[in-house]
Amino acid sequence: EPEVTQTPSHQVTQMGQEVILRCVPISNHLYFYWYRQILGQKVEFLVSFYNNEISEKSEIFDDQFSVERPDGSNFTLKIRSTKLEDSAMYFCARAQDRAGYEQYFGPGTRLTVT
Amino acid sequence: LAKTTQPISMDSYEGQEVNITCSHNNIATNDYITWYQQFPSQGPRFIIQGYKTKVTNEVASLFIPADRKSSTLSLPRVSLSDTAVYYCLVGDLGETGRRALTFGSGTRLQVQP
Repeated sequence: EPEVTQTPSHQVTQMGQEVILRCVPISNHLYFYWYRQILGQKVEFLVSFYNNEISEKSEIFDDQFSVERPDGSNFTLKIRSTKLEDSAMYFCARAQDRAGYEQYFGPGTRLTVT
Repeated sequence: LAKTTQPISMDSYEGQEVNITCSHNNIATNDYITWYQQFPSQGPRFIIQGYKTKVTNEVASLFIPADRKSSTLSLPRVSLSDTAVYYCLVGDLGETGRRALTFGSGTRLQVQP
């Protein structure tokens, strides 16, 4: 199964700046997820997105974060005002079915906040 | 979600079979068992999932005893490229419930020549 593509592969930004991370599903699936992984730590769930709206979000996904699918294709994660602790790998994933046991992850975007 | 326990790390040599066992004593009736693999700086990759008994695909086998309180991921004849972190996930993602994957710390497998 093809996965997803993510852009950029690496982004460096200054604290307080807004960043937009993009995910492009190769196939036309309905279930999307964002995860992050701080260096050396666990993969953490951020948010799930189904049928163009948020299905579930974690405690991490506060008001600084937002997701949308602006053109019905790209799936974006926006961080409004980045903090140093937002530095992490951000992974987009998609699922083929509602149960979501099999999720296909993208290569990730490495976000570095300075 | 059922809590899972798996070894922090394992070492093996090329060509050997590797078995990684995960304990999930509180597994619920509707829970499935799913294993993922993660290479450094890459996203997790789905390996295999099962509910009971044995499941086999082109990559691995998953053994689940009758009580389902544990599961064993078996990797036949590992190579250096199998060096990765392996995650055991247990949960009921259900009809209308959460679909998020909850990753633990995983088992870091190091394959040596």
